[in-house]
Amino acid sequence: AQSVTQPDIHITVSEGASLELRCNYSYGATPYLFWYVQSPGQGLQLLLKYFSGDTLVQGIKGFEAEFKRSQSSFNLRKPPVHWSDAAEYFCAVGPFGNEKLTFGTGTRLTIIP
Amino acid sequence: NAGVTQTPKFRVLKTGQSMTLLCAQDMNHEYMYWYRQDPGMGLRLIHYSVGEGTTAKGEVPDGYNVSRLKKQNFLLGLESAAPSQTSVYFCASSLRKEGAFFGQGTRLTVV
Repeated sequence: AQSVTQPDIHITVSEGASLELRCNYSYGATPYLFWYVQSPGQGLQLLLKYFSGDTLVQGIKGFEAEFKRSQSSFNLRKPPVHWSDAAEYFCAVGPFGNEKLTFGTGTRLTIIP
Repeated sequence: NAGVTQTPKFRVLKTGQSMTLLCAQDMNHEYMYWYRQDPGMGLRLIHYSVGEGTTAKGEVPDGYNVSRLKKQNFLLGLESAAPSQTSVYFCASSLRKEGAFFGQGTRLTVV
């Protein structure tokens, strides 16, 4: 069965510092990977996705993620972070298509001045 | 262009009552989904639809029913609400190979 682990429940970083949010997945075939962001009281917004090809994926708002098959990871990065990046971030994995996505439990990001 | 719209945004139900959550999308997406979000558990798929007139069970379908009579609408029904169904419900839609667009959510409390 597919699964996603986001090992960090809560991360605090200083504004202007670099950010890396971890995501590890378990999937038996070629995974389709996504990162979503959720601001308080809002729905989820797609940051970026990986289907195939270049393992470094660029997304919106200056985010990027790197797919590492050998480590079963799809970590999200942003250098540098801005106060507006404070939110909750979800990693998701699924087969071709979206109908059986499995989400991680999320990482809450706090930005300090 | 409204995207994905959920109605209502908040609701309080008594145990045993029924209700329907409405999701509407104006992006002509084939795929639509209903998720529930609970603290510390991420999002879990309840039901989904790959096209008008079709529905399928997701990870946590028990206690819920859905219908997709029109391509743009996806309804989620609770026939007899239980406190365990207290949650935030999200509807989403997508093209098959693209990321999903989410609605703003419906906060449901069952007392």
